[in-house]
Amino acid sequence: GMPVEQNPPALSLYEGADSGLRCNFSTTMKSVQWFQQNHRGRLITLFYLAQGTKENGRLKSTFNSKERYSTLHIKDAQLEDSGTYFCAAERANAYKVIFGKGTHLHVLP
Amino acid sequence: DAAVTQKPRYLIKMKGQEAEMKCIPEKGHTAVFWYQQKQSKELKFLIYFQNQQPLDQIDMVKERFSAVCPSSSLCSLGIRTCEAEDSALYLCSSSQGTGDNERLFFGHGTKLSVL
Repeated sequence: GMPVEQNPPALSLYEGADSGLRCNFSTTMKSVQWFQQNHRGRLITLFYLAQGTKENGRLKSTFNSKERYSTLHIKDAQLEDSGTYFCAAERANAYKVIFGKGTHLHVLP
Repeated sequence: DAAVTQKPRYLIKMKGQEAEMKCIPEKGHTAVFWYQQKQSKELKFLIYFQNQQPLDQIDMVKERFSAVCPSSSLCSLGIRTCEAEDSALYLCSSSQGTGDNERLFFGHGTKLSVL
């Protein structure tokens, strides 16, 4: 299968709702990054994780290398959260970062 | 986010023309990556430089692109003969490239339109 499988492909939320995105990995990864791509195309780094959980405001991300997954949780969704979210993971003993296909998030008023 | 600079922001070429885009990596970063993204879909790896040397690239780049990093502060990606399918956002990223410091920082991208 795909090295990085990202779900869901698309997601619509109402303002104030909570939701989660997930990436599953076909092999052991040593790190994961989550990005938000805005409407202008700029990729903004949300998290870089080698293990464990990190929080930043309304966002929380977890990376479990052993179980081969990472999640991004969005709490109290806001309109400005709309965009495409990508996870990108790096294999152990490798340099190339592999991107998921992205989740298109649309926050509705 | 860190300052990876890409120029130009937009590039319009006719089919058959040559195209060139530039990237200034974050100061001190030794690893530079180029990615291609079509229509806001997944990012496709193109080429990777470490200390200005190309260490990996996909076949398409070998065949039709030219990519160099003549200095640690400037890299370029060129397309020798543009084709319609090359229309995409080209993203440059850099990282410190050592051990745990491999977080990627991205530029704004160069949006290429081939007419």
